[in-house]
Amino acid sequence: DAGVIQSPRHEVTEMGQEVTLRCKPISGHDYLFWYRQTMMRGLELLIYFNNNVPIDDSGMPEDRFSAKMPNASFSTLKIQPSEPRDSAVYFCASSSQGWAYNEQFFGPGTRLTVL
Amino acid sequence: AQKITQTQPGMFVQEKEAVTLDCTYDTSDPSYGLFWYKQPSSGEMIFLIYQGSYDQQNATEGRYSLNFQKARKSANLVISASQLGDSAMYFCAMREPSGGYNKLIFGAGTRLAVHP
Repeated sequence: DAGVIQSPRHEVTEMGQEVTLRCKPISGHDYLFWYRQTMMRGLELLIYFNNNVPIDDSGMPEDRFSAKMPNASFSTLKIQPSEPRDSAVYFCASSSQGWAYNEQFFGPGTRLTVL
Repeated sequence: AQKITQTQPGMFVQEKEAVTLDCTYDTSDPSYGLFWYKQPSSGEMIFLIYQGSYDQQNATEGRYSLNFQKARKSANLVISASQLGDSAMYFCAMREPSGGYNKLIFGAGTRLAVHP
């Protein structure tokens, strides 16, 4: 299995620009999560999907952030317009339904720098 | 309210020694799950071990074991025979029993340094 795939791995952009982060979950997983990691706030859940439907977006910081999952194999996290305080590592993770573990498998992350 | 507490920002251990990383949690739900993840300097998050609230025995995975003390609401990670490659950040997480299935709450993490 290829694991969770994220692109790009690194993104440097200027304040005000639109940023789109991409994620391909593990095939067969029906949960997809977007996290943000910063030194100040640690690892925060932004939003998660179940069967392509957003379930909880209470962690999305502002209207500048939006996420979509048009199909089971692709999701995007968009920031428009970006600000320097959005600089962080953004992780995508996926999981499969079932009572036991349901551990979340994380992608390698996208390191975003907004200048 | 902080639901997962990791009180040790940093720990160090001598190679081949055992080390315990602390984690306490707060929940009123009888059904929950506890996870430990490792984040090396390369940045990826690696699942290590899981403990369910109804599990009778402490979870073990190779050199990792989870010291689960339900009454004290603690789920400490024990790494035996530390190796240099164990140097990393370690995160404790709890599956949020309410507000959504499969949602994880992470602690602030403990940075472990293994010295030769």
